[in-house]
Amino acid sequence: GESVGLHLPTLSVQEGDNSIINCAYSNSASDYFIWYKQESGKGPQFIIDIRSNMDKRQGQRVTVLLNKTVKHLSLQIAATQPGDSAVYFCAEKAAGNKLTFGGGTRVLVKP
Amino acid sequence: DGGITQSPKYLFRKEGQNVTLSCEQNLNHDAMYWYRQDPGQGLRLIYYSQIVNDFQKGDIAEGYSVSREKKESFPLTVTSAQKNPTAFYLCASSMSKVGNQPQHFGDGTRLSIL
Repeated sequence: GESVGLHLPTLSVQEGDNSIINCAYSNSASDYFIWYKQESGKGPQFIIDIRSNMDKRQGQRVTVLLNKTVKHLSLQIAATQPGDSAVYFCAEKAAGNKLTFGGGTRVLVKP
Repeated sequence: DGGITQSPKYLFRKEGQNVTLSCEQNLNHDAMYWYRQDPGQGLRLIYYSQIVNDFQKGDIAEGYSVSREKKESFPLTVTSAQKNPTAFYLCASSMSKVGNQPQHFGDGTRLSIL
């Protein structure tokens, strides 16, 4: 999910299918990663996080996978619903409490 | 109801005017943050504060100022020196003393130029 200026990468998915959103992070020293969901006109909403000593974490209908070898993070959403339509951001934390955000991926759920 | 409240939701600025965006949290979080979001882009850090009466510049602090006189409040002033202030401004907070913790966001203030 790399941003290219005003044009967000978009993932179109059929309702009921699984979605996979990808994120390449930049800092090999990052030790904590978060996925956020942002609906139009609202602030980002926390979905799930993962620490660097893990490679997988599951929540309700969501799974985050971390591959430190290639610095890649993914968010899987099971049985995607219309309410999942939003922009999804990954964020990484290296030193201190500062987060660095990716550019976002727009998910459109088709009925 | 615990959360982060940003006000106003919409704000308009005239040329040469300073405007202040409010951010209040009742989560008892130590750390607070201000981000700027431009259309179709991710969030960029303006200022952050780990503790009362202390704050640090983020990646794009020029043209902005903050204060942290109370734990629950972290107002952001967009000064006339910020030549391109039109954006969506987001405030966040987190528990900074408990290891890795997510930041929680308010619902933003959209600032436009008159």
